[in-house]
Amino acid sequence: DQQVKQNSPSLSVQEGRISILNCDYTNSMFDYFLWYKKYPAEGPTFLISISSIKDKNEDGRFTVFLNKSAKHLSLHIVPSQPGDSAVYFCAASAIGDYKLSFGAGTTVTVRA
Amino acid sequence: ETGVTQSPTHLIKTRGQQVTLRCSSQSGHNTVSWYQQALGQGPQFIFQYYREEENGRGNFPPRFSGLQFPNYSSELNVNALELDDSALYLCASSPGGSPSGNTIYFGEGSWLTVV
Repeated sequence: DQQVKQNSPSLSVQEGRISILNCDYTNSMFDYFLWYKKYPAEGPTFLISISSIKDKNEDGRFTVFLNKSAKHLSLHIVPSQPGDSAVYFCAASAIGDYKLSFGAGTTVTVRA
Repeated sequence: ETGVTQSPTHLIKTRGQQVTLRCSSQSGHNTVSWYQQALGQGPQFIFQYYREEENGRGNFPPRFSGLQFPNYSSELNVNALELDDSALYLCASSPGGSPSGNTIYFGEGSWLTVV
């Protein structure tokens, strides 16, 4: 049962433009959401997170938006850089839970 | 570099065999979680250990078992290997039981191929 879904397996964007990655979830108990970035042969690294009490969180070029009523979140990367080429995972957890539920990932390719 | 180290990085096993994967957690972290990432999928939670006790388990059969040692390093053991066990196994360490974003550190993973 996939509770976190990333429906776009891949995204190609030109350097300097905006990358928008989408994520949907089904579990209404989720209250904390995270984005991870993964390069080949490396483990996932934390990028940015958002609590369910917020609808936006910004960190430099990265902004995450949360729409609780739609059970949808998105990650915006502006401007996109070649080093942003990686797999991005959306993850979620519920209050007091010890585990992360991950989406299948979106592979981002930033073209020069 | 996260300070979480996993070994071995790659291994090939035959169906029916047993495998042990190892993880050294980040200094100061007392919690270790294991995830399985099959090709084309996101990581799936296997179980978590907190202070040497299993603290939660995902939807994996009992042939997946683990240990945590007094120094908080951990092992994942898989018995009676099946072809579908072929995956990247990720270890994540954190200072507490619940996820809190930038305090969870993943290792590079162990690639297991079952033939």
